[in-house]
Amino acid sequence: DQQVKQNSPSLSVQEGRISILNCDYTNSMFDYFLWYKKYPAEGPTFLISISSIKDKNEDGRFTVFLNKSAKHLSLHIVPSQPGDSAVYFCAASDSGAGSYQLTFGKGTKLSVIP
Amino acid sequence: ETGVTQTPRHLVMGMTNKKSLKCEQHLGHNAMYWYKQSAKKPLELMFVYNFKEQTENNSVPSRFSPECPNSSHLFLHLHTLQPEDSALYLCASSRVERAYGYTFGSGTRLTVV
Repeated sequence: DQQVKQNSPSLSVQEGRISILNCDYTNSMFDYFLWYKKYPAEGPTFLISISSIKDKNEDGRFTVFLNKSAKHLSLHIVPSQPGDSAVYFCAASDSGAGSYQLTFGKGTKLSVIP
Repeated sequence: ETGVTQTPRHLVMGMTNKKSLKCEQHLGHNAMYWYKQSAKKPLELMFVYNFKEQTENNSVPSRFSPECPNSSHLFLHLHTLQPEDSALYLCASSRVERAYGYTFGSGTRLTVV
C-alpha cells in the first residue's frame, strides 16, 4: 500500500510558466514533508521541505503548500526554467514513530519546454 | 560532488556471482541507508544504519547483505541475485535530526544477467 502517491508520472510546462507538482499521502501520522529533485544518472538532491505546523514554505522560485485536512501537498515552481527538467520525488516522515526515515512517492517527471 | 560517493557506478553480474557495492560519506552524518529504485516504483528502503547499528531491515531477501564497519562507510554484499534485482541502488546519509534530510549518492546501476 503506497503511503505517498504522486499520481502524475509526467508533466510538461512551457518555460516561464508555473509548474505544479502534486503529492497525496494516506498516513495521518506524517508530519514532515520534503521534495527531492533527480537528474538522470545522479542521486536525488534535497529541494525544499515543510513541517506540518506550517501550510506554506517558500525558497526562491520554489514554494511548497501543505493541506493537512486533504492530506495533500504541492510544489510550485515559478517561473519554470529548462534546467528544472528532472524527476521530482515527494517524501514524508513520521517523527512520532521516533523515525527519521522517509517514505517516497514514485516521482513526477517534469519537462520544461524552451 | 554530492558528499556521498558510491562505487561502482555500473555493475553487470551473473546470477552466481558475488559482488559488493560501496558507499562512503564524510559529511559527519550518523545514519546511512540503502534504497532500491526499480522502474516505475517508489524508492524502496532496504536497510538503515544508525551510528553503525542496523536499525531497519525491510524484509529484504538474504541475498542482500549490508555491512557498516564505521559511520562513514556502508557496503551492500550481493550473492546469487535474480534478474528482477536489476535496479538502481542508492545510498544516502543523514543526521538523525531529520530536518536536514538525506544526502544521496549517484547510485549504482545494477544489471543481473
